Formats: sequence, structure tokens, C-alpha cells
Amino acid sequence: QKEVEQDPGPLSVPEGAIVSLNCTYSNSAFQYFMWYRQYSRKGPELLMYTYSSGNKEDGRFTAQVDKSSKYISLFIRDSQPSDSATYLCAMKAGNTGKLIFGQGTTLQVKP
Amino acid sequence: DTAVSQTPKYLVTQMGNDKSIKCEQNLGHDTMYWYKQDSKKFLKIMFSYNNKELIINETVPNRFSPKSPDKAHLNLHINSLELGDSAVYFCASSLRDRGGSDGYTFGSGTRLTVV
Repeated sequence: QKEVEQDPGPLSVPEGAIVSLNCTYSNSAFQYFMWYRQYSRKGPELLMYTYSSGNKEDGRFTAQVDKSSKYISLFIRDSQPSDSATYLCAMKAGNTGKLIFGQGTTLQVKP
Repeated sequence: DTAVSQTPKYLVTQMGNDKSIKCEQNLGHDTMYWYKQDSKKFLKIMFSYNNKELIINETVPNRFSPKSPDKAHLNLHINSLELGDSAVYFCASSLRDRGGSDGYTFGSGTRLTVV
């Protein structure tokens, strides 16, 4: 069983839809939670980061962490075709720099 | 001005060959990493160096050997390439190796195909 589980999709939504992406994890030591976006043939880029539990909002993006359930989410409001990419959750414990990734969810936003 | 640059972008080679991938970062970061992304997009850490010192060495075949001549450079040498080595290899860097909120900055990847 992987430490971080993420449904690979693909997920296809119409433009303007609200998108919900999720990951579950098993290691209770994880404290730092991140979402990366990866366009085709590019490297992942950091989109959102959250420390411990709680919510964080940045424009159309909201990241949520529920440590009690070992569950994190990324919400995208008013989705745009330019949001079409693979979204990878990632997390790490505080005492190591090793970032563990989920498999990534491929999102397609159709005009 | 690419922050993390890798060369080459594409590499096609025959089984049994030896090849190297180079990585350089101009962000002033202390820590650099090699990740392997398989065909299912799963990213898995291979190695990490902090200021030229190896700090993470995952279960990777001995055929893979990283080298960090200075904290801005991290190279990956692969001996006796096998078909299963075909993947995209990403270099990344971060400001610190322990704790902290800094994410990683990734290069654009090296797509290795072994035939």
C-alpha cells in the first residue's frame, strides 16, 4: 500500500465547474501538505502549500487538510481550460525533506 | 533564466549503455534531488544531496550513482541501462532539507528511453 493514495482519473469537467481533487495518506507524521500542477511534458510546479490542518485559499484555489481523517483536498472554482493538467498532492514529515507524492490526477476542463 | 535546468531533455539509448544527466540550479538552494516519474506519472524520490552531502538514498539499483560537485549541481550517472530505466527523471531543489514550508522547484525533466 502506498503512503499517499490519489485517484489518477482522468477527470473531465466543463468550463466553469468546481473541481474537487483528493488524496488520502497513512503516515500520521506528515505535517506539510502541498499541491503541484504538472502540464504535459513539463516539471511539476508548486501550487499550494498548507501546514498541518486547516484551509488555505489563493484566488480560485482552496486547499484543505483534515489530519484526523488523513485526507487532503484541492478545490478549483470557475475552472478554466488552462487548468487542464495533472495535479499531484505531496506531503512530508517535519523531520525530513523527503517529499512523498501521490500518483497525480489528470484533469481536463472542456470549453 | 531557468531556475533548475537539466540536460539533455531527451535521451534515447540502447540497453547496456552508460549515460549521464546533468542538473544545475541558480536559486541558491542548499538541497537538490533526483526523482523518477514512471509511465503512470508516479513520482518517486531517488536521491537527495544537501550542500554536496548525500542525505537520502532510496532503494535504487547500484547502477545509479549521483554526484554533486558543488551545491548548485547534481548529476546522475546510470550504468548498464535496462529497459525498465525508461522514465522521466526530474531534478529538483529546495532551500533546506529539514522541515520548513519551502516546496521544491523542479526542472523540466529528462525523458529517457532505453531501446
